[in-house]
This record gives sequence, structure tokens and C-alpha cells, in this order.
Amino acid sequence: SAVISQKPSRDICQRGTSLTIQCQVDSQVTMMFWYRQQPGQSLTLIATANQGSEATYESGFVIDKFPISRPNLTFSTLTVSNMSPEDSSIYLCSVERATGVTDTQYFGPGTRLTVL
Amino acid sequence: SQQGEEDPQALSIQEGENATMNCSYKTSINNLQWYRQNSGRGLVHLILIRSNEREKHSGRLRVTLDTSKKSSSLLITASRAADTASYFCARGGSQGNLIFGKGTKLSVKP
Repeated sequence: SAVISQKPSRDICQRGTSLTIQCQVDSQVTMMFWYRQQPGQSLTLIATANQGSEATYESGFVIDKFPISRPNLTFSTLTVSNMSPEDSSIYLCSVERATGVTDTQYFGPGTRLTVL
Repeated sequence: SQQGEEDPQALSIQEGENATMNCSYKTSINNLQWYRQNSGRGLVHLILIRSNEREKHSGRLRVTLDTSKKSSSLLITASRAADTASYFCARGGSQGNLIFGKGTKLSVKP
């Protein structure tokens, strides 16, 4: 399995500010994913982050609002910019680890963001 | 929406009872996975079932897959209070990501 940590675990932010969430993996991975989980909802993919290339964003998510960095194979950041209360969600990073027979994704513990 | 549907949305049972959750999806799959999430935290992978498998077991978990009906079910036998969580099915997306169902919130009362 992969060990993934996220910082911060939670934060309360003011409208109009930005927050950068960090995701650290204990081993090198090619692809990292960022998901958003709005209150009481399921997970929705924000973007896929590959090292050395621009992140690929899903429909409804744009780079100006959610800039992503992927400086190396073990680390990524997601910034939530110019926040509004609608951005209050849990943000999770995940990685895929193919282990021959099974392909599973491993998730970080999430960052719970509240925007006032 | 690409998301699958899960039912029930919420399930409340007594400890010792079995819990069954269902998942339907719309496109063809290579595999289907089930995850658990405790109290809005990170997800834990429970089990993966491939498209050529019909049933899979892991401890108290039993997953079935019916590709003709595009549906899967997760059965938790002899439930415990610690099984209280949200359960999600997920299938693979085009980016190597997962596409999640809406989830079932399970409450097991002692």
C-alpha cells in the first residue's frame, strides 16, 4: 500500500483568500489525482497531475481557480484560489498503485476546508 | 452524470445483522471497486472485482458483479458498530482516475 499524507488536515478560511493543500506520497508515483467532496456528496475528480506536465482538469474545474503543482514524483499541491463558501469541501489526493494483479487507488486523509 | 447510482442512500441496522448495498453503473468496466469512508475522512479500499468475476469474498465482505445488469452489491455480514461509515462503489475513468457512485451511509447500532 501507499502512505499518503496531506497538509493541512483542516482549515477555516475567509472569503477571497487562497489555500494551498500539500500531498506527500511515501514512494514515487506517476499519476496523482485531486478530488473534491462537497458536504454529503460523493467524490468528484478535479484534475490529474503528472510530473513534468500540466495538470489535466475535468469539466467544471479550471486552472485559475485550482492551480496544481507537481514538482516531483512524490509531491503535489492543490491551491483553492479566491475562495467562496461554495468551496467548502473535503479535498483528497490519491495515487494509483498497480501491483501486478490488482489496481487500486490509495487516498490521503483529506483536507476539510470551511470558507466563511 | 457519469456517477453510478447506489442504493440505499442510507441504511440503519442493528449490530449482528447483515447489510447489503447496491451499485449500478452505465458503461462497460474492467473492474469495480468498493471503498469505505469514515466520518468524512480518507477512503479505504475494500475490494476489487474484475469484470470476469461474479463473486468475491474478503473476510466479512462479499461482493457480487452482474455485468449484464451493470450492477454490483456489497454485503457485510454480522455487522459491527465499527462498520458505521459511508460506502462507495467506483469504476475506472479515462484518466486512470475513479468515478464514484453516490454512496450509501451505513449506521450500525450497538
